[in-house]
Amino acid sequence: GQSLEQPSEVTAVEGAIVQINCTYQTSGFYGLSWYQQHDGGAPTFLSYNGLDGLEETGRFSSFLSRSDSYGYLLLQELQMKDSASYFCAVGGGYQKVTFGTGTKLQVIP
Amino acid sequence: GAVVSQHPSRVICKSGTSVKIECRSLDFQATTMFWYRQFPKQSLMLMATSNEGSKATYEQGVEKDKFLINHASLTLSTLTVTSAHPEDSSFYICSARPQLGQHNEKLFFGSGTQLSVL
Repeated sequence: GQSLEQPSEVTAVEGAIVQINCTYQTSGFYGLSWYQQHDGGAPTFLSYNGLDGLEETGRFSSFLSRSDSYGYLLLQELQMKDSASYFCAVGGGYQKVTFGTGTKLQVIP
Repeated sequence: GAVVSQHPSRVICKSGTSVKIECRSLDFQATTMFWYRQFPKQSLMLMATSNEGSKATYEQGVEKDKFLINHASLTLSTLTVTSAHPEDSSFYICSARPQLGQHNEKLFFGSGTQLSVL
């Protein structure tokens, strides 16, 4: 089976940097993705790592270490609108996509 | 960007009735669509994988006779919750994956359907 663990909640101050970790156990690893979901809304794709290292997309960066089965999402210059749930996910290509437990981020003034 | 349309956004039904949810990829062809279920403050749980022209693959513990999935074309998949009961009340959300080679690592999600069974 597949399992992905994340911290359940994180609180950070507006303008700061926050890191959301994800550890996974999976067979046939394809890649690690990150999605953002606001309350009542649909998840939206943020980032993808198919290989080890850092991927940067604006204020968001994502890191992957396949040897450690570990990745993280880094959010810089936090804004109030970043308050949402963040999910890591494994799968892609011909594989199904399984989501992590999710991290609720609260950005405070 | 790729758009996935899901309807209805909200449905309230009586116990014992059936509800059909539609998921359409509007500007791309989706050979694979996924159906997820999400309870409040929880993660997305994969219910089934739907491939165009073939039977859906259901996750362990998901009743295929209760949750009927049809993927009749490259742009449309439907989920029918048959004989719905209050415990089926949940947020159902579909996602579509573009054909291989076109940002295939991304999933594009519909806006979800909040089902309430009375």
